Amino acid sequence: QKEVEQNSGPLSVPEGAIASLNCTYSDRVSQSFFWYRQYSGKSPELIMSIYSNGDKEDGRFTAQLNKASQYVSLLIRDSQPSDSATYLCAVIDLTGGSYIPTFGRGTSLIVHP
Amino acid sequence: DAGVTQSPTHLIKTRGQQVTLRCSPKSGHDTVSWYQQALGQGPQFIFQYYEEEERQRGNFPDRFSGHQFPNYSSELNVNALLLGDSALYLCASSPKVYQETQYFGPGTRLLVL
Repeated sequence: QKEVEQNSGPLSVPEGAIASLNCTYSDRVSQSFFWYRQYSGKSPELIMSIYSNGDKEDGRFTAQLNKASQYVSLLIRDSQPSDSATYLCAVIDLTGGSYIPTFGRGTSLIVHP
Repeated sequence: DAGVTQSPTHLIKTRGQQVTLRCSPKSGHDTVSWYQQALGQGPQFIFQYYEEEERQRGNFPDRFSGHQFPNYSSELNVNALLLGDSALYLCASSPKVYQETQYFGPGTRLLVL
């Protein structure tokens, strides 16, 4: 049973700060990693995907992957109140031929002015 | 280019009733997956349809069934509703079955009384 763990939060940061969201996963064969943003009452929206160890940057977002330690993180630089949402981590194990993601429960982020 | 659409947006049912939810995938997509998201939880995979057949199934009872039509649209049926079935039901589409990136629809919020 694959498990994806996230601190439910809320994580509260001031506007302009760096928000750091973390995710750990139990299955060493997980190969694809995703971060989704979900506003209250809305559906998940894909922010970033990462497949290799290291950092991947896209605008104000940076995903970091460490397969040896089985964690993936998302950094949001210059946080804005509009970033306030729940951030879902998802992992996919491709070895069994399944492309179905396993989601964590999400971390609630609050960016206050 | 229309994204994933779902209907209805909200639904209220009573225990024991049956419900049908509908999804139209994004243009050019032929694979549809359904998820259940309870409050405060991440999406849980129900099943996936491709070429009008159920290709993969998550850990959900047989009360949950589905269908995919030749135009790739899909239905999710839930029989003998339980209070615990109250959730946001999400449909996601992808360009082909072996595709990691999924695009979510707005969801249908089901309340079972």
